[in-house]
Amino acid sequence: AQTVTQSQPEMSVQEAETVTLSCTYDTSESDYYLFWYKQPPSRQMILVIRQEAYKQQNATENRFSVNFQKAAKSFSLKISDSQLGDAAMYFCAYFHPGNMLTFGGGTRLMVKP
Amino acid sequence: GAVVSQHPSWVICKSGTSVKIECRSLDFQATTMFWYRQFPKQSLMLMATSNEGSKATYEQGVEKDKFLINHASLTLSTLTVTSAHPEDSSFYICSASPTGRSRAYEQYFGPGTRLTVT
Repeated sequence: AQTVTQSQPEMSVQEAETVTLSCTYDTSESDYYLFWYKQPPSRQMILVIRQEAYKQQNATENRFSVNFQKAAKSFSLKISDSQLGDAAMYFCAYFHPGNMLTFGGGTRLMVKP
Repeated sequence: GAVVSQHPSWVICKSGTSVKIECRSLDFQATTMFWYRQFPKQSLMLMATSNEGSKATYEQGVEKDKFLINHASLTLSTLTVTSAHPEDSSFYICSASPTGRSRAYEQYFGPGTRLTVT
């Protein structure tokens, strides 16, 4: 079974600084998708970024970028120029076609003004 | 686009009663919908996968007779918590995957429903 591990229960960053959230996963598949979701206090799940495993290039969405290391099964999220609105729970997730979406335990990000 | 709604957003019910939660895909058709449960400060736990026109597939440990799922149309899935007890109190989230095999990896989440059983 696939597992997703987020080793940082909480992280803190100063506004305008950069922070990296870690995620590792375990799979025997070669074709899969990885995601970072944001869950703010409203608890609405918001897709931050998606990475297809067959793509070597790291995905980027504005201030959000990932470091995808397929061999190491690592998928970290970098948030640049952190803003107060970035404070939320962040979940790493894995998906293989035909299987369910598997979430990590989450990282609570606090942004200090 | 790709909006999913849930109703109600918050419900309180008495122990022993049943409560129904609706999940709707507003601007797309969803052959497959998913129901998650989230406890405070924890991750999402998949309860069941709902496929339009067929029986839901429940994850291990989820009581199918307690959590009834119906996916009668391509835009609506319902979760009924039967004979609710205080331990069923939780945050329930649905998600919907657009119809089409090539889009199976896409899931759009509803805003969630907070259930409190007294």
